[in-house]
Amino acid sequence: EAGVTQFPSHSVIEKGQTVTLRCDPISGHDNLYWYRRVMGKEIKFLLHFVKESKQDESGMPNNRFLAERTGGTYSTLKVQPAELEDSGVYFCASSQHTLREQYFGPGTRLTVT
Amino acid sequence: KQEVTQIPAALSVPEGENLVLNCSFTDSAIYNLQWFRQDPGKGLTSLLLIQSSQREQTSGRLNASLDKSSGRSTLYIAASQPGDSATYLCAVVDSSYKLIFGSGTRLLVRP
Repeated sequence: EAGVTQFPSHSVIEKGQTVTLRCDPISGHDNLYWYRRVMGKEIKFLLHFVKESKQDESGMPNNRFLAERTGGTYSTLKVQPAELEDSGVYFCASSQHTLREQYFGPGTRLTVT
Repeated sequence: KQEVTQIPAALSVPEGENLVLNCSFTDSAIYNLQWFRQDPGKGLTSLLLIQSSQREQTSGRLNASLDKSSGRSTLYIAASQPGDSATYLCAVVDSSYKLIFGSGTRLLVRP
């Protein structure tokens, strides 16, 4: 069974540009989460999808971040326009049910210069 | 607001030693607690999940305990090996179903 996959593994962009991160959850997992770790800080929650619906987006920093999960399969996280403080590692996780074990992808390292 | 703390921040032990990693949380209203390991430049690997109604979970040389009332969990690693070297993260699932992470314990097991 394939695990959670994320693309790209690393992205370097200039301030003001747009970047789109992609996450493919484990097949059959209705729950999809986005987290991020910025330099020197703990991993923080961004948002939670149940199928295609946003269950909780309380962790999204501001309206420059837009997450979608069309069709309830893969998800994208777009940052537009990117700022220096958006640099960090963005993790995606999925779980079969809300309170079950969350499985994480390898992360996307975003560097904004 | 839920806060998760892990002590120590770093630990270095000789191979073969048994060790304990500590995790504490401020709000006992959790659904479950999950322990992860993270290798440098890699994602998080789930080690153990303890439901709020459980006291402990075991997987191989790993044993995790949970005392919800006191807001504490421990991860016990038996007979440590160099391959156990990694950062260990503790996270609780709060009332809104999201994981809240501690800052981790960096473990080095010396050959």
